[in-house]
Amino acid sequence: DAKTTQPPSMDCAEGRAANLPCNHSTISGNEYVYWYRQIHSQGPQYIIHGLKNNETNEMASLIITEDRKSSTLILPHATLRDTAVYYCIVRSAFHGQNFVFGPGTRLSVLP
Amino acid sequence: KAGVTQTPRYLIKTRGQQVTLSCSPISGHRSVSWYQQTPGQGLQFLFEYFSETQRNKGNFPGRFSGRQFSNSRSEMNVSTLELGDSALYLCASSSGSGKLFANTGELFFGEGSRLTVL
Repeated sequence: DAKTTQPPSMDCAEGRAANLPCNHSTISGNEYVYWYRQIHSQGPQYIIHGLKNNETNEMASLIITEDRKSSTLILPHATLRDTAVYYCIVRSAFHGQNFVFGPGTRLSVLP
Repeated sequence: KAGVTQTPRYLIKTRGQQVTLSCSPISGHRSVSWYQQTPGQGLQFLFEYFSETQRNKGNFPGRFSGRQFSNSRSEMNVSTLELGDSALYLCASSSGSGKLFANTGELFFGEGSRLTVL
């Protein structure tokens, strides 16, 4: 079973920031938080991952709470092309541990 | 560099047949994972191969099998196809390191092979 909880759907206005929450209250010390997204009928796309510190790349920012029990993915200026299902995954840093995908959050960016 | 390549992209089979799907990982990546995606069950892990060895396996029947070659390319096979095997089959590669925290092993997915069983 997935070790994360996400809202099933969210809407965001085009040009605004999209903040996608994720709860992972049972996360352990050697587990990373990963975010992927899947645009309809395409393979999932890696977005970002983090362990303890906040992370930022060209696609998004990841904010992890100090107790690591929840995180937020931020898309700073959402566009229509960001409409997708977003998956938050907790995975051990040990090699060989598979990714367990939950149902994710369906983000709809509205014009 | 080139991404993960899956072939064929689309295929139609009938019940009882078998199918083989192919995956070429990103150059230099040694780990290949396979996932099945259906509307009802979402993304489910099938198996993972690293250096030609199956290292991890999901909860699927023995009709689902795979292998990895010395060049890291991988194939998966489904025998005695059932209607419920209709799905998008996704392959993902990662560089894979044996050291804790040395490589976080994020997955890079292909576009998938969409199998329809009639």
